[in-house]
Amino acid sequence: DIVMTQSPDSLAVSLGERATINCKSSQSLLYSSNNKNYLAWYQQRPGQPPKLLIYWASTRESGVPDRFTGSGSGTDFTLTISSLQPEDVAVYYCQQYHSHPPITFGQGTRLEIK
Amino acid sequence: QVQLVQSGAEVKKPGASVKVSCKASGDTFTSYYIHWVRQAPGQGLEWMGLINPSVGSASYVKKLQGRVAMTRDTSTSTVYMELSSLTSEDTAVYYCARGLKFSLYFDYWGQGTLVTVSS
Repeated sequence: DIVMTQSPDSLAVSLGERATINCKSSQSLLYSSNNKNYLAWYQQRPGQPPKLLIYWASTRESGVPDRFTGSGSGTDFTLTISSLQPEDVAVYYCQQYHSHPPITFGQGTRLEIK
Repeated sequence: QVQLVQSGAEVKKPGASVKVSCKASGDTFTSYYIHWVRQAPGQGLEWMGLINPSVGSASYVKKLQGRVAMTRDTSTSTVYMELSSLTSEDTAVYYCARGLKFSLYFDYWGQGTLVTVSS
């Protein structure tokens, strides 16, 4: 199974500042045949289901604000929120879909306002 | 628009079974996989398995094999997840989620169903 490890576990950032969340996989998520990284990011606000933000490591889902950016390749990935807004308070998860079963998630990163 | 609507909360005793439904609308039911993901109280997301509604085949996470079954009814565009031999560790919110057939990220999610296992 591919193990996904996020860092940090929690993060406090001031409004308008940048937030950076890291995700590391135990195996490469890059398929050489199509040069795609099989990595997604989700946002989960309290009491709600997760919401897809980013797929293929860097493709923003329709309707997601452009302050959310995904980057990285292979085993190391980053989700960056360029200017934190109040509605960004949530738990963020990375997910690999390169090798399954099973599909696996990171443990989550809790983002709060400082 | 695409919607996944799940059945309501359940309270079960240890050793019992639970069956949660997920009704899809707004797109072709058989064009996607439906996944089940659960989340224990205060914990992260755990993928349980998927079903291909067009043929009814399913794939499950190893730790749940033998206890979980995912089925579908194409006439009502509904997928079911049944979990048997429940213990307190199965207390969680259960989500269904839609994934494309060749790229298994989840673009639409159900609202979640809380299953509580308690004596």
